[in-house]
Amino acid sequence: DVKVTQSSRYLVKRTGEKVFLECVQDMDHENMFWYRQDPGLGLRLIYFSYDVKMKEKGDIPEGYSVSREKKERFSLILESASTNQTSMYLCASSLLAGNTEAFFGQGTRLTVV
Amino acid sequence: AQRVTQPEKLLSVFKGAPVELKCNYSYSGSPELFWYVQYSRQRLQLLLRHISRESIKGFTADLNKGETSFHLKKPFAQEEDSAMYYCALFWGSARQLTFGSGTQLTVLP
Repeated sequence: DVKVTQSSRYLVKRTGEKVFLECVQDMDHENMFWYRQDPGLGLRLIYFSYDVKMKEKGDIPEGYSVSREKKERFSLILESASTNQTSMYLCASSLLAGNTEAFFGQGTRLTVV
Repeated sequence: AQRVTQPEKLLSVFKGAPVELKCNYSYSGSPELFWYVQYSRQRLQLLLRHISRESIKGFTADLNKGETSFHLKKPFAQEEDSAMYYCALFWGSARQLTFGSGTQLTVLP
């Protein structure tokens, strides 16, 4: 059974804190993605990575950074959390090949107070 | 630039009625299009992809390159179809996966 696992289901952090969201996949996928999901806005891509140590900005990278030191792990970092980063964060992975399915984690509900 | 547009945020139909969820895309290359679904309290999961030309749970979607559309259709909606539906596009040499804003489908009894 394919698996994308996000380290936390719920997180509450204070404004200004540095926040790490971790994602691990066990399918040897090259591609990994971080999205935030907000009502009415759908899934918006923050960053993605198609290889170890490679990263590409998505549509809303401001206020975020990422790290991919190993193929199976993709971390999202909020350098200084703000209240407007309160959201559901979804991690996904896929093969690099065309027309391939993306597999999603269960999501992390982050609240910044 | 927005590459995937889903014009309806909410859509309600009665059980047994036909349903169509609209999706339009903008991409100059050869599109790779998908529909994903998220049932309540479940992970986002693939429903179908255009390359397969398959019917999943009674849903079909046809790619219309002239109209740049990939609408999702089902002739007879069921209550268990109630969910959030997202249209998605794989594009670019770096293989970016872009989603639309989603349509919340509610099938009424």
